[in-house]
Amino acid sequence: SYVLTQPPSVSVASGQTARISCGGNKLSFKNVHWYQQKPGLAPVLVVYDDDERPSGIPGRFSGSKSGNTATLTVSRVEAGDEADYYCQVWDHDTDHWVFGGGTKLTV
Amino acid sequence: EVQLVESGGGLVKPGESLRVSCEASTFNFSDYTMNWFRQAPGKGLEWVSSITGSSRHKFYTDSVKGRFTIFRDNAKNSLYLQMHSLRVEDTGLYYCARDRAVSGAYASDNWGQGTRVTVSS
Repeated sequence: SYVLTQPPSVSVASGQTARISCGGNKLSFKNVHWYQQKPGLAPVLVVYDDDERPSGIPGRFSGSKSGNTATLTVSRVEAGDEADYYCQVWDHDTDHWVFGGGTKLTV
Repeated sequence: EVQLVESGGGLVKPGESLRVSCEASTFNFSDYTMNWFRQAPGKGLEWVSSITGSSRHKFYTDSVKGRFTIFRDNAKNSLYLQMHSLRVEDTGLYYCARDRAVSGAYASDNWGQGTRVTVSS
């Protein structure tokens, strides 16, 4: 089965830039989506199709991809950005959605 | 504003059945693929099942295939997940979510608040 690999945790100081990676085989051929989940709340889509931002999501959130690694970048990190972040792709070989294991961002 | 409200969760014993529901509003429900995701206590997100707008295509994660059935009633703007032969490892918060666009596999841009399923003897 397809696997997405994320670091378990990332820690940054307020005002700095956080980068969360997501690695997977042949990821360059897949659209990567990113979700933010704060404790006790439902996930929120923050980036879709590698680098697109839904309406209402601050411009501080951006996505990119190079080869088999996608990256969610959070610029000028705020205390309110502290959350778990998950990457997701659709695996066309199995017709399954796949999530990474999640990364806890600590500010 | 898109609204998704799940219901039907509860405490059941291993081997029992349960049906969870999701009522949708303020969008053309029949146009969109809908999804069920779940999250075990303290764990990450896991995809469970998806169904296209017309119900023509249904997809399941391997661990629930043959035990769970996803279906929808477009006239009632409702999505369902019928779960049989429940296992302890099916315990979690079950979310319904809508694809952000029609006709394809797209990111989920709207999620409900979840309904809790607990399987325990």
